Amino acid sequence: KQEVTQIPAALSVPEGENLVLNCSFTDSAIYNLQWFRQDPGKGLTSLLLIQSSQREQTSGRLNASLDKSSGRSTLYIAASQPGDSATYLCAVNGQAGTALIFGKGTTLSVSS
Amino acid sequence: EADIYQTPRYLVIGTGKKITLECSQTMGHDKMYWYQQDPGMELHLIHYSYGVNSTEKGDLSSESTVSRIRTEHFPLTLESARPSHTSQYLCASSEGQSVDTQYFGPGTRLTVL
Repeated sequence: KQEVTQIPAALSVPEGENLVLNCSFTDSAIYNLQWFRQDPGKGLTSLLLIQSSQREQTSGRLNASLDKSSGRSTLYIAASQPGDSATYLCAVNGQAGTALIFGKGTTLSVSS
Repeated sequence: EADIYQTPRYLVIGTGKKITLECSQTMGHDKMYWYQQDPGMELHLIHYSYGVNSTEKGDLSSESTVSRIRTEHFPLTLESARPSHTSQYLCASSEGQSVDTQYFGPGTRLTVL
C-alpha cells in the first residue's frame, strides 16, 4: 500500500530564504507526482505536476524534482515571501485517472 | 484557473438531517473524486467516478453516497448526519489521460452538532 511522508511537518523561515520541502513515497510505481498548496480552510491549488518519466518541473520560483527509484521528491522555493505561507501537500497516483495518495503536508511560515 | 465549484462552502447542521454537498466542473472531465480531510490530517478518498453512471467507494469508509447522472455534476449525500461526519469535504476532477492534473474545488466545511 502506497504511503507518502512529508518532512518537516512545519517550517518557519525569514523572508528571502531559499528552502526545500521533502516528500517520500514507499512504492516507486507511480504515474504522477503532484505538489499542491493549501491555504487555511481552503481547497488545494495545483503547483507542479511531474510525470513518472520526468526528473523535474519548474514554475516561477518553484522547482520540483523527482527521483522515482529512491521514492523521493523535493520542492524548492527560491527567495521566499510572506505570501508563500501555506501548507504544501505532496501526492502520487499509480495510474492515470486514479485517486491521489497524499502526505500530511508541510506547513510553511515566512516572516517579513 | 480550474473551473470546479462546491456549495455550500460552510454548513452547520443538526444531527439526523439529510444533506447534499454539491460539486460541479465545467472542464468536461470524466474523472471526479471526493476526498475527506480532518484537521491536520491527510486527504483520504471516499468516492470516485470514471464517468456518467459510474461510481465507486474509496479507501476510507464513508456513510455518504454519490451519484453521477451528468458529466459535470457529482453530488455527495449524507442521509442522516452525525457529529462524526464533521470534516472538510473536497471535490476534484481530472482528464484521466497523459498529464492528468487533478483540480480541486474550494471545499465544504461541514459541522454536525
